[in-house]
Amino acid sequence: KNQVEQSPQSLIILEGKNCTLQCNYTVSPFSNLRWYKQDTGRGPVSLTIMTFSENTKSNGRYTATLDADTKQSSLHITASQLSDSASYICVVSAVDSSYKLIFGSGTRLLVRP
Amino acid sequence: NAGVTQTPKFRILKIGQSMTLQCTQDMNHNYMYWYRQDPGMGLKLIYYSVGAGITDKGEVPNGYNVSRSTTEDFPLRLELAAPSQTSVYFCASSSGTDTQYFGPGTRLTVL
Repeated sequence: KNQVEQSPQSLIILEGKNCTLQCNYTVSPFSNLRWYKQDTGRGPVSLTIMTFSENTKSNGRYTATLDADTKQSSLHITASQLSDSASYICVVSAVDSSYKLIFGSGTRLLVRP
Repeated sequence: NAGVTQTPKFRILKIGQSMTLQCTQDMNHNYMYWYRQDPGMGLKLIYYSVGAGITDKGEVPNGYNVSRSTTEDFPLRLELAAPSQTSVYFCASSSGTDTQYFGPGTRLTVL
């Protein structure tokens, strides 16, 4: 069964600190992996998208990595800001249905001053 | 560009009532989607459409219906509301397999 699991479920860090969020997936055959940011009460917004051949992609202070062999991805946030407080969702799609996304349940990040 | 807009933002229904959640996009995207998000869970695909006049079931279609008469609009219909349909509903659109753009969501409570 195609699944996406994220850890930790929630995380609290101090402003200015770095953090790393994890994503493991069992989706096969793999097409691409996306990280979305979802602010409270809002729809998800895309941060990065990576295909099988990419192992790192950055978007400002966000850096995503992908290891397609171990089926793991991480999202690293550098020098966190209060506005980074949100849920971060890992989303994977399969080759045979690449517009049908499989969503993880997200990591809820709280950045404290 | 407004992107993806959804109405209403909030709604409370009684069991057995019906309603339509509206979704409109102004990006000329062929693909549109309806998801539901339950607390602590990942988004689940209800229905999707790859173009006007074409719709198909997603992972959790029971209790819902959709239509796609234009490229811009993709309404979601609940016929006989049940407490299990209490959720936050998101509409999204994309140009093929590219990034999906989400609307702000509709929070629905069925009592």
